[in-house]
Amino acid sequence: AQSVTQLGSHVSVSEGALVLLRCNYSSSVPPYLFWYVQYPNQGLQLLLKYTSAATLVKGINGFEAEFKKSETSFHLTKPSAHMSDAAEYFCAVTQNTGGFKTIFGAGTRLFVKA
Amino acid sequence: DSGVTQTPKHLITATGQRVTLRCSPRSGDLSVYWYQQSLDQGLQFLIQYYNGEERAKGNILERFSAQQFPDLHSELNLSSLELGDSALYFCASSASFGTGELFFGEGSRLTVL
Repeated sequence: AQSVTQLGSHVSVSEGALVLLRCNYSSSVPPYLFWYVQYPNQGLQLLLKYTSAATLVKGINGFEAEFKKSETSFHLTKPSAHMSDAAEYFCAVTQNTGGFKTIFGAGTRLFVKA
Repeated sequence: DSGVTQTPKHLITATGQRVTLRCSPRSGDLSVYWYQQSLDQGLQFLIQYYNGEERAKGNILERFSAQQFPDLHSELNLSSLELGDSALYFCASSASFGTGELFFGEGSRLTVL
């Protein structure tokens, strides 16, 4: 069975500081891994995805994530936070077992202080 | 714009009532997913349809039902509504092949008074 754990329901950083949002997963087969972002009053949108090509994945708005199989992790980082990064971030794992099945983590709300 | 359309955007109703939420997936996507998002439960998967057939079921209550029509749009029916059903309901679609990336609509916010 697949599962996703996001460490920390809330993360607060100062503008310009490093953003690190943690995600660990479990999967019985090679997964596809995603980070989605949800801005206030909007639906989720894809930030980046890992699909077994490069282990370091770059996404939109300067975010990137590194797939580490040995640690079963897919942490999201951004070198310098902007106020506009304040949002909720969801890690998700998808397996294709005769159809796509996606499991989301509980989400991490990012606050950015001026 | 994700290409997924949900209506209505907002809905206010009373306990015991029934509502229908509608979703049009991205052009060409055969899979439709429904999610419920509330403050206390987070993002919960309800149900998935693929080309008109139910493919997977999550934490969907018996009072809730869904279907996908031949034109691929989907409807989520919520009946005997309770205060706790107040939430954001999202529809998402995905392509049949590829990586299973989900494209979300903007959601329908249901308030039950």
